[in-house]
This record gives sequence, C-alpha cells and structure tokens, in this order.
Amino acid sequence: GAGVSQTPSNKVTEKGKYVELRCDPISGHTALYWYRQSLGQGPEFLIYFQGTGAADDSGLPNDRFFAVRPEGSVSTLKIQRTERGDSAVYLCASSLSSSGGVYSNEQFFGPGTRLTVL
Amino acid sequence: ILNVEQSPQSLHVQEGDSTNFTCSFPSSNFYALHWYRWETAKSPEALFVMTLNGDEKKKGRISATLNTKEGYSYLYIKGSQPEDSATYLCAFPLLTGGGNKLTFGTGTQLKVEL
Repeated sequence: GAGVSQTPSNKVTEKGKYVELRCDPISGHTALYWYRQSLGQGPEFLIYFQGTGAADDSGLPNDRFFAVRPEGSVSTLKIQRTERGDSAVYLCASSLSSSGGVYSNEQFFGPGTRLTVL
Repeated sequence: ILNVEQSPQSLHVQEGDSTNFTCSFPSSNFYALHWYRWETAKSPEALFVMTLNGDEKKKGRISATLNTKEGYSYLYIKGSQPEDSATYLCAFPLLTGGGNKLTFGTGTQLKVEL
C-alpha cells in the first residue's frame, strides 16, 4: 500500500519568505508527527497530532512555526519569515495509536522535504 | 533533556566484513528502543522495536541486542553488503497524549565498499 508521502522533496527559498511543507500519512493512521533533522544531528521532534488536534507542540522552536491537520489526514507545516537556521530535512511520520499510548508503536516515515534557506 | 548517544559517528568497512555499533540511553524509566535505517533520498525504515531486557532480534543479516539495566543496545551486521550503506538511528520514545515522540541519537553512518 501507499506509504507516507511528502511534498515538495526539495524547497529552496530566500531568507524572510514563507514556506509550506505537506505530509500525506498512511490512510487510517490517526497519529502524525513532524521531526526536523539539521546537519550533523539526529531528527528532533517538532509536533504531534492525534486526529485533527495538536496533542504536543513542545518541539516547535518558536512562533514562526505552525502546523495544521484540519481533516485528520493531510498535515501542513508552515514556516513564516524563514531564517538560514531553518535549513534542514523536515520529516513526517504516521502511526496507529491506542489510548494511553504504546511505546512499541512503529512510526512510518516519509522521505522528507529538504529545505534550504539562502 | 533525554540523552541518546550513538557511536561511532561513521564507519567504513569492506564488503563481507561484519560490524557493530552502539546506542546508549537513560537506563531509568526505560520503555522501548527503536532502531531505524535511513538510506540517502529514501524514508527512514524501522528495523526493530526492542522492549525487554535481554531482547535479541534479527532481520536477515542484521541483529540487535538490548541491555536496559546498563542502558545500551548493539546493532550487528554480518557480512556487510554495499546495500547496507545507510545511516542507522536509534530512538527512545516518550509517551505524549496517546502517542510517542521519539528522541533520536545522531546516528551511525555506515559505508560499505567493494
């Protein structure tokens, strides 16, 4: 079946511009996560959605970052007034979830969007 | 802040060599440990989810062990092949609102040469 898809695969923008990154999760997965991998680092958690609501946005670095998931499937990560430090690979993952959480639930990742801010 | 560390940072081996690398994590409040393989331009792919002390899991030529008391996991690759070239990431999940947010190590970048 179809996996997690992300568009665009690459995005080059200029400092100060606005960008949107899209994630299409696996059908039926209610949990959706965004992570960011900067050069030389492991992926870092940004935000987690359970259905339409952001259950945990503690990883968003500042108020220039915002994400939505209005119908509980596709999610968009929005970055305002981009800075050079925002350059990274942005990963999206989805999973099944159960009430109370299950630590062994596998997350299925998309191929990422490589964002370059000039 | 949760500290998940991986070593070595990178590794070059010859085809046919066996290799292993380490993930260390907090031994208190252990829940599970995830291993992922991430090939360039592809999606990170789950290899193993390990939950019990002494766990040993295997997938083809790749296997992993877990020691929760001392806070480490080893990943082994037997008879490395060029297609094993990838970054291997371990991740420690934290429960959040019905899901798990993963804290990743920095990864071990493996290059297998002919």
